[in-house]
Amino acid sequence: GNSVTQMEGPVTLSEEAFLTINCTYTATGYPSLFWYVQYPGEGLQLLLKATKADDKGSNKGFEATYRKETTSFHLEKGSVQVSDSAVYFCALSDGSSNTGKLIFGQGTTLQVKP
Amino acid sequence: DAGVIQSPRHEVTEMGQEVTLRCKPISGHNSLFWYRQTMMRGLELLIYFNNNVPIDDSGMPEDRFSAKMPNASFSTLKIQPSEPRDSAVYFCASSRLLWEQYFGPGTRLTVT
Repeated sequence: GNSVTQMEGPVTLSEEAFLTINCTYTATGYPSLFWYVQYPGEGLQLLLKATKADDKGSNKGFEATYRKETTSFHLEKGSVQVSDSAVYFCALSDGSSNTGKLIFGQGTTLQVKP
Repeated sequence: DAGVIQSPRHEVTEMGQEVTLRCKPISGHNSLFWYRQTMMRGLELLIYFNNNVPIDDSGMPEDRFSAKMPNASFSTLKIQPSEPRDSAVYFCASSRLLWEQYFGPGTRLTVT
């Protein structure tokens, strides 16, 4: 079945450092891919998405490219801020249903220190 | 537009009591999802509905858990009887466009 694997955290960076959070997936067909972010004490928020191969999703300085050849959707940001400290979830659409079900990775905690 | 609304935000109850969590999805959305999040197990999908019909409840942990969606604007998740291991944050999410889910703020449940 479909699945998502994220790099284990926590990832600890200094402010203004470059961020990469790895995400790889296993899926049949052509799923859409997502990154969600969860700030402390809040629900998950959609950060960015890509719906087909080679698409690049971007938002708030974050970006990720849908790589079908490597089945990856790595999240990157050129210069992180303390306010980016959160848990990041990679997800893909479950092609076995037409109801919007998503398959989530286990989440990666990012801690940014001033 | 108001987002997904969940109530209560916090619930503390004693073991054996009935707990009801409530969710109002975003107007116009036709899919609704209930999740549970814990440190040990991460984010788990419990059940989801499409057009008010339960599609997959395979994530519901046991018969003590039940969920209903009587209309397009309201859903409940009920635990009866509650146990300490049910302590978690419960999220409701809804979607309209394919695959893009919007999450509520969650209900933090503590069962003592």
